[in-house]
Amino acid sequence: GQNIDQPTEMTATEGAIVQINCTYQTSGFNGLFWYQQHAGEAPTFLSYNVLDGLEEKGRFSSFLSRSKGYSYLLLKELQMKDSASYLCAVRDNRDYKLSFGAGTTVTVRA
Amino acid sequence: ETGVTQTPRHLVMGMTNKKSLKCEQHLGHNAMYWYKQSAKKPLELMFVYNFKEQTENNSVPSRFSPECPNSSHLFLHLHTLQPEDSALYLCASSQDYTSTDTQYFGPGTRLTVL
Repeated sequence: GQNIDQPTEMTATEGAIVQINCTYQTSGFNGLFWYQQHAGEAPTFLSYNVLDGLEEKGRFSSFLSRSKGYSYLLLKELQMKDSASYLCAVRDNRDYKLSFGAGTTVTVRA
Repeated sequence: ETGVTQTPRHLVMGMTNKKSLKCEQHLGHNAMYWYKQSAKKPLELMFVYNFKEQTENNSVPSRFSPECPNSSHLFLHLHTLQPEDSALYLCASSQDYTSTDTQYFGPGTRLTVL
């Protein structure tokens, strides 16, 4: 199984940068996903990391270190619409299940 | 319609009622999932269907009964639920169960059990 840990809440100012950390303990790693979920809506896919390093996609970047069991999601040039919950999820390489963290609620203030 | 749809979006039921949640995916995927999302808790995987066959029942109580008549449709039948079953129930789909592709989620059904 997996233990996924991420902060509960973060607050940042419009235009700033926020980094959401995720640590995990796993018996078999097959990739890490980040999802964004606005209140009352479906989680939507943001990024996928399976190899160490940084994946950049516009204002969002995701980093993975498999040896440290660590990932972060970096949100740059924050906009009000980025206020949402961000979910870290790890896939197991034996049963392909996704295990989710409890999510980090990011509030962007003007 | 595109993506993953779920109906109803909101449901209030008593403990003695029987109701069903419906999920439909228009992505041509072969795997479908039910998750439970309670406040401040991680998403919990409940059931997985791959090519219409149930591959996972994650120790879910029998008062939840899934049905997958074809690769595009998934149901969750509910009966004699408890108040602690109140949660957001999310459906998802992916190309197949072992695929490295992401899962695509529906908007969920907000269930309240009185």
